[in-house]
Amino acid sequence: RKEVEQDPGPFNVPEGATVAFNCTYSNSASQSFFWYRQDCRKEPKLLMSVYSSGNEDGRFTAQLNRASQYISLLIRDSKLSDSATYLCVVNRYNDYKLSFGAGTTVTVRA
Amino acid sequence: SAVISQKPSRDICQRGTSLTIQCQVDSQVTMMFWYRQQPGQSLTLIATANQGSEATYESGFVIDKFPISRPNLTFSTLTVSNMSPEDSSIYLCSVEVTGVAYGYTFGSGTRLTVV
Repeated sequence: RKEVEQDPGPFNVPEGATVAFNCTYSNSASQSFFWYRQDCRKEPKLLMSVYSSGNEDGRFTAQLNRASQYISLLIRDSKLSDSATYLCVVNRYNDYKLSFGAGTTVTVRA
Repeated sequence: SAVISQKPSRDICQRGTSLTIQCQVDSQVTMMFWYRQQPGQSLTLIATANQGSEATYESGFVIDKFPISRPNLTFSTLTVSNMSPEDSSIYLCSVEVTGVAYGYTFGSGTRLTVV
C-alpha cells in the first residue's frame, strides 16, 4: 500500500463551482500535512499546511481526519487559475522525510 | 521563506556521462533534500544532505550513482553519474521553511533528458 494515496482525477469543473477531493495516508505516526500545488513543468509550491482543527485560506479549506487518516481540500468559487495538480504531502513525527501523493488534477473551464 | 536557486534548469546529456546539479539557498539551512520526479509521477526522495556528514540515501538510491556534496549551510550539489535514458527526469532540491508559514520550499527543478 502506498503511504499517500490520492484520487488522480481529473476533476473538470466550471468557473465558480466548488470542487473537493481527499487524500489518505497509511502511517498513523504522520504528524505534518500539506497541500502543494504543481503547475505543468514547474516545481511544487506550498498551498497550505493542514492543521488538526482544519484551516481556511481564502477560497481554500483543508480538513484533517486523524481517525480515518485522510485530509481533504475544498476549493470554492473556482477560478481558471486554479487549474493545476494538487499534491497531498505528509511527514512523520521527528522525521523530515516527505511522502507525496501522485496528485489530483483539477481543470477549471470557462 | 527561503529562496532556492537551482541550476541548470534543463540539460540534454549523452548516456554514460555525468551531470552535476547545484542548489544555492539564500539562508542557512540544516538539511537539504534531493528529489526525483519521473514523467507523470510524483516526487521521490533520493537523499537528505547535512553539512559536515555524508548524505543519507533512500532505498533504491546509492552514493555511487548519485553522489552529493554539502560543503556549507547554503549550498549542495547532486551528481547523476553514468547516465542512462532511465535517469531522464526532473530533479529538485528542497529545504524546510519554519516560521509563520511552515512547510518545504523547492528549487525550480532540473529537467534532464538522457539520449
